[in-house]
Amino acid sequence: QSALTQEASVSGTVGQKVTLSCTGNSNNIGSYAVGWYQQISHGAPKTVMFGNSLPSGIPDRFSGSKSGTTASLTISGLQPEDEADYYCSTWDYSLSAYVFGTGTKVTVL
Amino acid sequence: QVQLQESGPGLVKPSQTLSLTCTVSGGSISSGSYYWSWIRQPAGKGLEWIGRIYTSGSTNYNPSLKSRVTISVDTSKNQFSLKLSSVTAADTAVYYCARGPMTTAFFDYWGQGTLVTVSS
Repeated sequence: QSALTQEASVSGTVGQKVTLSCTGNSNNIGSYAVGWYQQISHGAPKTVMFGNSLPSGIPDRFSGSKSGTTASLTISGLQPEDEADYYCSTWDYSLSAYVFGTGTKVTVL
Repeated sequence: QVQLQESGPGLVKPSQTLSLTCTVSGGSISSGSYYWSWIRQPAGKGLEWIGRIYTSGSTNYNPSLKSRVTISVDTSKNQFSLKLSSVTAADTAVYYCARGPMTTAFFDYWGQGTLVTVSS
């Protein structure tokens, strides 16, 4: 049972802006920065955002934000190679454990 | 560039213990600035955190798996390991190792993953 809730799917055309959300509570997202992970065709996850910081090599069309207990990942200018599953994650201090989101499948139309 | 590589048996019999090792290259596991985690993903499902270890040996485990999990570290080999006891078919999954910077709540580097199937 995931502690963080994400949309099951999001779709957009090439060049469009899409926003993925990740909703938790005060024990997790409300207290810690959120990491976002891209998983293409069930391969290894790749970190695309931590908090609002971009890892080296990740295009700047990816951006992250947080408001209260909801975090968001925005892809501005969707590209075909962005088609993947995206997971959010953070620490939950009441569980003393990392928690993951349910995952969002991004489809490029 | 830091790289992580999982290794271990791909097939484990029910009720036995699953054992995996993650070898870290391109950086020292003893640097003291990171936590080292195990994460798994059953086919068609989402990611589940199993547990983490710090180089001091301090550990945290997923409460739902805590009674069956042991994570250890071997700094001389730049490796950390996972043992999951009393496995069932529900433990069949791709197992990943990952690094997480201390004072943060995310993972920055992941291994490629290794599939472990529990079957007789």
